[in-house]
Amino acid sequence: GEDVEQSLFLSVREGDSSVINCTYTDSSSTYLYWYKQEPGAGLQLLTYIFSNMDMKQDQRLTVLLNKKDKHLSLRIADTQTGDSAIYFCAVARGVVTFGIGTKLQVIP
Amino acid sequence: NAGVTQTPKFQVLKTGQSMTLQCAQDMNHNSMYWYRQDPGMGLRLIYYSASEGTTDKGEVPNGYNVSRLNKREFSLRLESAAPSQTSVYFCASSSGLYNEQFFGPGTRLTVL
Repeated sequence: GEDVEQSLFLSVREGDSSVINCTYTDSSSTYLYWYKQEPGAGLQLLTYIFSNMDMKQDQRLTVLLNKKDKHLSLRIADTQTGDSAIYFCAVARGVVTFGIGTKLQVIP
Repeated sequence: NAGVTQTPKFQVLKTGQSMTLQCAQDMNHNSMYWYRQDPGMGLRLIYYSASEGTTDKGEVPNGYNVSRLNKREFSLRLESAAPSQTSVYFCASSSGLYNEQFFGPGTRLTVL
């Protein structure tokens, strides 16, 4: 089956950029997603990218996809304390497989 | 528009007890899912239903059963709860298998 890997933890200062990385194993994955989970809540979709795209920008969010290396990243510009949450990478081939989540801590 | 609702929010069971977790969505979505979330394990798919009348096993189906009662509702049943089933359970729905999933707020289950 598909494996999706992420680092567990990232700490950044308020105002800096955050980059959360993800690697996956199945090169035929068609849709790739980033979800955000705030404490005590369910996951909420932040953004997604089709496998035929290299980059997608949406306000402060930039998603980069390197299909050759099976690497997906999420960059958050001007990170705010409200961005503190767990961020999940997910890839779809049939059903969706989620990574374990990266906890982003924003230091004021 | 409530989105995805789950009941109950919290539940404590003793080993061997049974219970049903309820999920409903009001977005007219075809697909519905049950996940469990455990520390260090991320989200793991238990069962899913691609459309009304169909259900399929996910990554960790053992010890669970599901019912897609109608297009709106998808329930998860634990017939004989075990401590290993202590987890946070999330229901989700989407318009199709590849589409954005909308999650409920979760049920926090503890099995003693």
